[in-house]
Amino acid sequence: DQQVKQNSPSLSVQEGRISILNCDYTNSMFDYFLWYKKYPAEGPTFLISISSIKDKNEDGRFTVFLNKSAKHLSLHIVPSQPGDSAVYFCAASYGSSNTGKLIFGQGTTLQVKP
Amino acid sequence: EAGVTQFPSHSVIEKGQTVTLRCDPISGHDNLYWYRRVMGKEIKFLLHFVKESKQDESGMPNNRFLAERTGGTYSTLKVQPAELEDSGVYFCASSLVDGAYNEQFFGPGTRLTVL
Repeated sequence: DQQVKQNSPSLSVQEGRISILNCDYTNSMFDYFLWYKKYPAEGPTFLISISSIKDKNEDGRFTVFLNKSAKHLSLHIVPSQPGDSAVYFCAASYGSSNTGKLIFGQGTTLQVKP
Repeated sequence: EAGVTQFPSHSVIEKGQTVTLRCDPISGHDNLYWYRRVMGKEIKFLLHFVKESKQDESGMPNNRFLAERTGGTYSTLKVQPAELEDSGVYFCASSLVDGAYNEQFFGPGTRLTVL
């Protein structure tokens, strides 16, 4: 039973436009959410996170929005750049516990066209 | 500062054989995690070490998988005997302290192919 889902396997956007990646979760006990970015032949790297007590967190071109009632979060990248082309993974955790176990989605491959 | 390293980068073995994957975490990181991604699917948690102790091994699929972290430094993940469904990319990650609030740094992964 997959608790974190990314229903769009891929997304293609034009350079300079906004990229919106979506993620849904089912477990209401999750209280911390993260986005990781992965380039080919590399491991995932942390991008941005949000606690369940917030509904928005911004870091430069990256903003994560959390809608707890809908159990939905999204990552906005604006403006998108060709270097943003990668696989993006949404992850959730029980942040308040002492385990760092992350529950990931399947990933969304973002292609930013010049 | 060196990142998380994993060896080998690729491994191709026959069904029924044994394979051992190695992970060297970032120096000083007490927390070490193993994850696996089967082709095109989600990255799944396998287990979490704090130093040499297994903090959480709820994701280990079955008793064919054995993880060790002797001395609290590097870790090995042994699959014996390997089955076709064990194919995938095995990632190791480390963090300075435990808890999800603390960034996990991932290695490049070991791609395991079982034929």
